[in-house]
Amino acid sequence: QKEVEQDPGPLSVPEGAIVSLNCTYSNSAFQYFMWYRQYSRKGPELLMYTYSSGNKEDGRFTAQVDKSSKYISLFIRDSQPSDSATYLCAMSVSDNNDMRFGAGTRLTVKP
Amino acid sequence: NAGVTQTPKFQVLKTGQSMTLQCAQDMNHEYMSWYRQDPGMGLRLIHYSVGAGITDQGEVPNGYNVSRSTTEDFPLRLLSAAPSQTSVYFCASSHRKRGTYEQYFGPGTRLTVT
Repeated sequence: QKEVEQDPGPLSVPEGAIVSLNCTYSNSAFQYFMWYRQYSRKGPELLMYTYSSGNKEDGRFTAQVDKSSKYISLFIRDSQPSDSATYLCAMSVSDNNDMRFGAGTRLTVKP
Repeated sequence: NAGVTQTPKFQVLKTGQSMTLQCAQDMNHEYMSWYRQDPGMGLRLIHYSVGAGITDQGEVPNGYNVSRSTTEDFPLRLLSAAPSQTSVYFCASSHRKRGTYEQYFGPGTRLTVT
């Protein structure tokens, strides 16, 4: 079983929809949770970072962490065609570089 | 700032050949990492470095060597290429920000081993 599981999609939504992206994990020691966005043929870029449980909001993006369920989510409000990309979740035990990534969910937002 | 640069962008190798993937960053970051990305597997950490002269193994280090003689450069060496090493390789540099490490990724090197 992989340490981090992520539904690969693809996920297709109309412009303006609310998008929910999710990851589950098995290692209860994970404390640092991140979401990356990766456009086609580019390197990933950090979108959101959360420590331990709780919510974090940044513009149209909200990250949620539920450590009791070992489940994290990224919500995108008022989705735009420019949000079309692959979204990767990542997590680590301590605040170092040893991160574990999900396989990524490919999202398409149609105009 | 160029950020993180990687060369080459594409490479085809024959089984058994060796080569070095180059990575450089101009942000004076202490931390650098190498990942491989395969379909359905996500990014997997190969090796990382917490500073010049210090390297450590990640999740999938076998078949790869690294060294870090300067802050700027972190080359990845494939000793004897195998078809299983066909992948997209990303180099990243990072610094501490808001309690964690914010990583900046390069554009990637697409490697095919035949």
